[in-house]
Amino acid sequence: GAVVSQHPSRVICKSGTSVKIECRSLDFQATTMFWYRQFPKKSLMLMATSNEGSKATYEQGVEKDKFLINHASLTLSTLTVTSAHPEDSSFYICSASNPSGRAKGVSYNEQFFGPGTRLTVL
Amino acid sequence: EDKVVQSPLSLVVHEGDTVTLNCSYEVTNFRSLLWYKQEKKAPTFLFMLTSSGIEKKSGRLSSILDKKELFSILNITATQTGDSAIYLCAVEPYNFNKFYFGSGTKLNVKP
Repeated sequence: GAVVSQHPSRVICKSGTSVKIECRSLDFQATTMFWYRQFPKKSLMLMATSNEGSKATYEQGVEKDKFLINHASLTLSTLTVTSAHPEDSSFYICSASNPSGRAKGVSYNEQFFGPGTRLTVL
Repeated sequence: EDKVVQSPLSLVVHEGDTVTLNCSYEVTNFRSLLWYKQEKKAPTFLFMLTSSGIEKKSGRLSSILDKKELFSILNITATQTGDSAIYLCAVEPYNFNKFYFGSGTKLNVKP
């Protein structure tokens, strides 16, 4: 249990275009999903916290108009990178929070991570 | 099927104890294994391991990789309450631009 998927796994786009990344919890309902960006030396930066049915909470320094987050259902959150630039090229990882006790065979650890999406902006 | 399994899922110890966290993996085209510590927000990077048998150390934390047996351990000596966190293991393969995360080990260090 507790599987989180991301789509696409890799995307290459031209500068100025928009890219949508999906994050899905496959076997449990996730009221909260998190979006991270990976930086060199493998550090992860939290970009925003996405709550189903409400607006995302963005971390300081993250442009909400550039990184649009929609959490339309309990199993799906999307991150849209608008007007992408080469400096947006990165690895974007989502995680989903498991509300304790709702998912079968799942520990009470807080988050389950997706496999990530590699974005390359030319 | 590629996967990463961490054990135990949770652990409660007292300050001063030594703990060993385990991460086993089955991942095609293994490139590296990473350990993270997650407290409140983003996981904090701890170690990246690519070679077998070479211990990486940072203060009271150390980690080692065994590529033959496909596992890694993270050791924490003289634990402190500040070590309480979820410890995540992730494996990165070559060429696939993916991370395979384990489900984490939740460590609780009691005073």
